[in-house]
Amino acid sequence: NAGVTQTPKFQVLKTGQSMTLQCAQDMNHNSMYWYRQDPGMGLRLIYYSASEGTTDKGEVPNGYNVSRLNKREFSLRLESAAPSQTSVYFCASSDNAGHSFGPGTRLTVT
Amino acid sequence: GENVEQHPSTLSVQEGDSAVIKCTYSDSASNYFPWYKQELGKGPQLIIDIRSNVGEKKDQRIAVTLNKTAKHFSLHITETQPEDSAVYFCAASIGSGSARQLTFGSGTQLTVLP
Repeated sequence: NAGVTQTPKFQVLKTGQSMTLQCAQDMNHNSMYWYRQDPGMGLRLIYYSASEGTTDKGEVPNGYNVSRLNKREFSLRLESAAPSQTSVYFCASSDNAGHSFGPGTRLTVT
Repeated sequence: GENVEQHPSTLSVQEGDSAVIKCTYSDSASNYFPWYKQELGKGPQLIIDIRSNVGEKKDQRIAVTLNKTAKHFSLHITETQPEDSAVYFCAASIGSGSARQLTFGSGTQLTVLP
């Protein structure tokens, strides 16, 4: 099992550009999440999907959109990137035993 | 919403000594408390968790204690080894089922000195 996979691993964007971060899990988990991690801070929830077909905002949703494509895949889109969105982005999935995290995408917006 | 505070932010111990990391939470409705270990350049990995109906849980050299009255929980690592060096995060969540919104502490950088 690959667990949670994320692409790309690294990305540099210019202000105003758009991109989509991809996430997939092979553990048959119902719930999936997107978090961002900034230096000196814990992870903060951007959006989550409790089950296929549903999405909800987390603590810091502004500037992002998500799509739960199917049970396996959950994507995060930045429509118009801003320097404040420079961060490391983690996707996670869960059952009742806790979150499993992907390896992260390091995004820099210049 | 929930607020989780974690202390200390950095912790250095000698190999073989014990390490303790403490967290407090604000929402008395929180009922699930996981701990994650994050190595450099990797995603967080769940190492132990505890639910609100339990006061203590152990897994080999790792233990977690929960005091619901005081709203704090702690991670204890005994007989520390250099490979325990990492950033550790506590978290808290409310609810049941698979969709849990975790609120994380700010992390503790643990260094185990050989």
